[in-house]
Amino acid sequence: GEDVEQSLFLSVREGDSSVINCTYTDSSSTYLYWYKQEPGAGLQLLTYIFSNMDMKQDQRLTVLLNKKDKHLSLRIADTQTGDSAIYFCAERGSGAGSYQLTFGKGTKLSVIP
Amino acid sequence: GAVVSQHPSWVICKSGTSVKIECRSLDFQATTMFWYRQFPKQSLMLMATSNEGSKATYEQGVEKDKFLINHASLTLSTLTVTSAHPEDSSFYICSAREMGVRTEAFFGQGTRLTVV
Repeated sequence: GEDVEQSLFLSVREGDSSVINCTYTDSSSTYLYWYKQEPGAGLQLLTYIFSNMDMKQDQRLTVLLNKKDKHLSLRIADTQTGDSAIYFCAERGSGAGSYQLTFGKGTKLSVIP
Repeated sequence: GAVVSQHPSWVICKSGTSVKIECRSLDFQATTMFWYRQFPKQSLMLMATSNEGSKATYEQGVEKDKFLINHASLTLSTLTVTSAHPEDSSFYICSAREMGVRTEAFFGQGTRLTVV
């Protein structure tokens, strides 16, 4: 089945850029997502990218997609302490009516003041 | 953005009892709702997909008689954990997808279930 992999931890200093990486196996993925989860809370959609795009930028967030290598990254510029959370990469397949998401295990981002 | 509300946020119940968790889309109609389970320090595991007015589709390994899902309206889906046991303790999260062509699903805030 589909698989999504992420590194489990990332630690950066406040003000630096954070880059969270994700790899996936489903070559038919249509959309790829980044979600943020703060402690004890649900998931907040940060951004998503369609599979025919290479890059998407939204304020401090930049998503890069290398479809050939099935590699997705999320760059957070000027990382703040409020960015500390778990970030999940997710992919959506292309099956008819498929809106199910497959999630990675999440990357815990710790921002050091 | 669209809002999905889950209730309750946390619940403690005795072993053997049943617990109902509600998932509501507050400002949009959700044709499809998804129920996920999240174990500590783990990813979200899809349990089932429910479409309004029809039976839920359960993922392999999920007991449909234990996790009852009802999606009776376009704004409400419920998950009932029947005869709960301590191993059912987990964080349950729902998400809802709006009718039409919007690509993203919106998530509830999750329900922490503790069975004692």
